[in-house]
Amino acid sequence: AQSVTQPDIHITVSEGASLELRCNYSYGATPYLFWYVQSPGQGLQLLLKYFSGDTLVQGIKGFEAEFKRSQSSFNLRKPSVHWSDAAEYFCAVGRSGGYQKVTFGTGTKLQVIP
Amino acid sequence: DADVTQTPRNRITKTGKRIMLECSQTKGHDRMYWYRQDPGLGLRLIYYSFDVKDINKGEISDGYSVSRQAQAKFSLSLESAIPNQTALYFCATSDDRLATETQYFGPGTRLLVL
Repeated sequence: AQSVTQPDIHITVSEGASLELRCNYSYGATPYLFWYVQSPGQGLQLLLKYFSGDTLVQGIKGFEAEFKRSQSSFNLRKPSVHWSDAAEYFCAVGRSGGYQKVTFGTGTKLQVIP
Repeated sequence: DADVTQTPRNRITKTGKRIMLECSQTKGHDRMYWYRQDPGLGLRLIYYSFDVKDINKGEISDGYSVSRQAQAKFSLSLESAIPNQTALYFCATSDDRLATETQYFGPGTRLLVL
């Protein structure tokens, strides 16, 4: 069975600093990988996804993530964080066949300080 | 207007009561999903539907039922609510016609069972 781990429950960064959120997955084949953001009082919004091809994936809002098969990781990065990035971030892993086969991580809550 | 709407946004009910959470979408998607979110547990799939006549149980369907009244409407019912069903509930949709489908979430319904 697939699984996904987000080791950091809560992260605090200063506005303008770089950000990296960690995600490790367990899956026997090439996974489908996703990052979602949940702003306070909002539903989840897809930031980016990886299915195949280039292992560096660009997403919305200036985010990117890199698929590293050797490390079973799909870390999310942003070079300069804005106060509006404060939210909860979810990594998810799945396989072909649809979203019913996607497993979500437990989330990382990002706090941005001035 | 939002593409995926959920009603109500907040609900307080008592143990043993029957309640229904409703989801409507204007995206024209065939696939719809119900999730619950609990702190520290991420999102877990309750039920999903690929079309009006195709409804499937997810990871945690016990205590829940669903109805797909039309392509655009997917309701979640708690037949006899219990306190451990207190959670944030999300509806989502996706378009199975796309090879790299994106999943769209509603804003959520916060349910408290006393």
